[in-house]
Amino acid sequence: AQKVTQAQTEISVVEKEDVTLDCVYETRDTTYYLFWYKQPPSGELVFLIRRNSFDEQNEISGRYSWNFQKSTSSFNFTITASQVVDSAVYFCALSEARSGYSTLTFGKGTMLLVSP
Amino acid sequence: SQTIHQWPATLVQPVGSPLSLECTVEGTSNPNLYWYRQAAGRGLQLLFYSVGIGQISSEVPQNLSASRPQDRQFILSSKKLLLSDSGFYLCAWSSGGNTIYFGEGSWLTVV
Repeated sequence: AQKVTQAQTEISVVEKEDVTLDCVYETRDTTYYLFWYKQPPSGELVFLIRRNSFDEQNEISGRYSWNFQKSTSSFNFTITASQVVDSAVYFCALSEARSGYSTLTFGKGTMLLVSP
Repeated sequence: SQTIHQWPATLVQPVGSPLSLECTVEGTSNPNLYWYRQAAGRGLQLLFYSVGIGQISSEVPQNLSASRPQDRQFILSSKKLLLSDSGFYLCAWSSGGNTIYFGEGSWLTVV
């Protein structure tokens, strides 16, 4: 069975600090996708990134960066120079590919609080 | 571009009353559709998924049901709500086996 662990329940930082959100996953599939979603106070889940299990290249998008390491089954998310608007719950998720569709297994989320 | 919309955004219902949450997707055809629930504690649980009209699969036994009367319409229902049905319900869609995109969510409080 698949499992996603986000060990950090809540993180508090001051604006402009860098912060890393950890994600560790378990799967027996050889092909899978990893995701990060952001859930602001409004509740909507906003898609941030998807990574293919065959592509371990790290990715940077503005202040966001992701470190995928298959050897340690981790997919960590770093926010550089955090801002108050980054305050949200962040979910890491693992996709189980099935015939014609996929479902997501979510971690329990990490609440990030960025104070001014 | 594709959009997903669900309603109502907020609902307060008494125990034993019926429920109907509706979700529609625009800008794509034959999407995979999903209902997730987020209860207290933030965990997200898959309730139902559908790969086509009239095709519904349930991931967990529960007091809820789902229907897909049209290609881009997905409905979550209950005949008699329980207190434990309270939570945040999210509709989602995907095209094939790719990224899953979520709607705005519906807050349900059963009193």
